[in-house]
Amino acid sequence: AQSVTQLDSQVPVFEEAPVELRCNYSSSVSVYLFWYVQYPNQGLQLLLKYLSGSTLVKGINGFEAEFNKSQTSFHLRKPSVHISDTAEYFCAVTERNAGKSTFGDGTTLTVKP
Amino acid sequence: GAVVSQHPSWVICKSGTSVKIECRSLDFQATTMFWYRQFPKQSLMLMATSNEGSKATYEQGVEKDKFLINHASLTLSTLTVTSAHPEDSSFYICSATSEGQVTNEQFFGPGTRLTVL
Repeated sequence: AQSVTQLDSQVPVFEEAPVELRCNYSSSVSVYLFWYVQYPNQGLQLLLKYLSGSTLVKGINGFEAEFNKSQTSFHLRKPSVHISDTAEYFCAVTERNAGKSTFGDGTTLTVKP
Repeated sequence: GAVVSQHPSWVICKSGTSVKIECRSLDFQATTMFWYRQFPKQSLMLMATSNEGSKATYEQGVEKDKFLINHASLTLSTLTVTSAHPEDSSFYICSATSEGQVTNEQFFGPGTRLTVL
């Protein structure tokens, strides 16, 4: 069994400020880790993924995330946010030899001018 | 990149009618497709996993007779909500993976907004 905890349900931040969205997971097996973004009334878009190798992963739109195995975390960061980054962000894990993913409850990022 | 489409993007129906939602992989063969339901301000809830040519595997608590899933080809899966009621109103999202992937990355459709009156 696996679980994902997104530690912040809502994150308000001012434009051009840095942001971190936190994600912790638990799993008894090796997993792949993903961050997705969802804009209103749309599906999910992949931001970035960790498969193996370097623990710092860079994604689209200037986002990056760091995999920390000892802390079982995969926090998402962006050094300077834009108004257009306002959206819902989901962290997800997938077991390496299975297909199903488990999603966190989501974090609403609101960027204020 | 891998593209998944859903049709319709939104649908309004009367209580008691059935609604079919299509999920298509446009540029790859989807051996596995997933159907999710998402309530407002909530996460995705996996409803079922479908593999091409076989019966879908439903998650606990999901009524298989109410949510009929068919995955008849490698590019198409359908979800039929039978005898829909207002409580079935939700955002339904499908995703797909292909056998050739080693990462189990899912490619998501844009979602279908179902409103049952």
